[in-house]
Amino acid sequence: GENVEQHPSTLSVQEGDSAVIKCTYSDSASNYFPWYKQELGKRPQLIIDIRSNVGEKKDQRIAVTLNKTAKHFSLHITETQPEDSAVYFCAARMYSGGGADGLTFGKGTHLIIQP
Amino acid sequence: DSGVTQTPKHLITATGQRVTLRCSPRSGDLSVYWYQQSLDQGLQFLIQYYNGEERAKGNILERFSAQQFPDLHSELNLSSLELGDSALYFCASSINRQGDVGYTFGSGTRLTVV
Repeated sequence: GENVEQHPSTLSVQEGDSAVIKCTYSDSASNYFPWYKQELGKRPQLIIDIRSNVGEKKDQRIAVTLNKTAKHFSLHITETQPEDSAVYFCAARMYSGGGADGLTFGKGTHLIIQP
Repeated sequence: DSGVTQTPKHLITATGQRVTLRCSPRSGDLSVYWYQQSLDQGLQFLIQYYNGEERAKGNILERFSAQQFPDLHSELNLSSLELGDSALYFCASSINRQGDVGYTFGSGTRLTVV
């Protein structure tokens, strides 16, 4: 099955600096890669996603890049703010049998924004 | 409010017992997914239903089962509970089978097995 590795597990950056979180996936058939933000005790919330026919997608301070050949994708947050502090999960959609199934998640990155 | 409703929010039960978690998807969404989140295992996909039919299975134990009813709400049944089943259980819904449109999580049910 699909395996998603996420690094780093913890990332501390100064407010205003950029943060980059990286993920690799194993199943070359995966074609959908969402990123979720989860605050303590709350539900994961979709912040951005990318499909395999696109190499980069941007939404204000957040961008995601995808390298299909290397099977890795990254989340970039610029001009970080205190409210960006949370756990971020990458995910890949895995396949089995006749089609798309659930998401396989990375283990998460705890992003800490230092004032 | 995400539009995905999960009940109850918290559940405390003893080992060996059986519980049922309930999920109502967003209006119009046909797919329901169940996930288990624990500190050591992270977010793990359990099972998916699409329009009443089981669509895919992930790391779901045999002691666990689920179903989706004609009104599209879903229930996750956990039986013979063990301490290690303590976790946050999330459901998510999406409008299509592929799950790449509007994939939204509910607020979760925190299960504590004592």
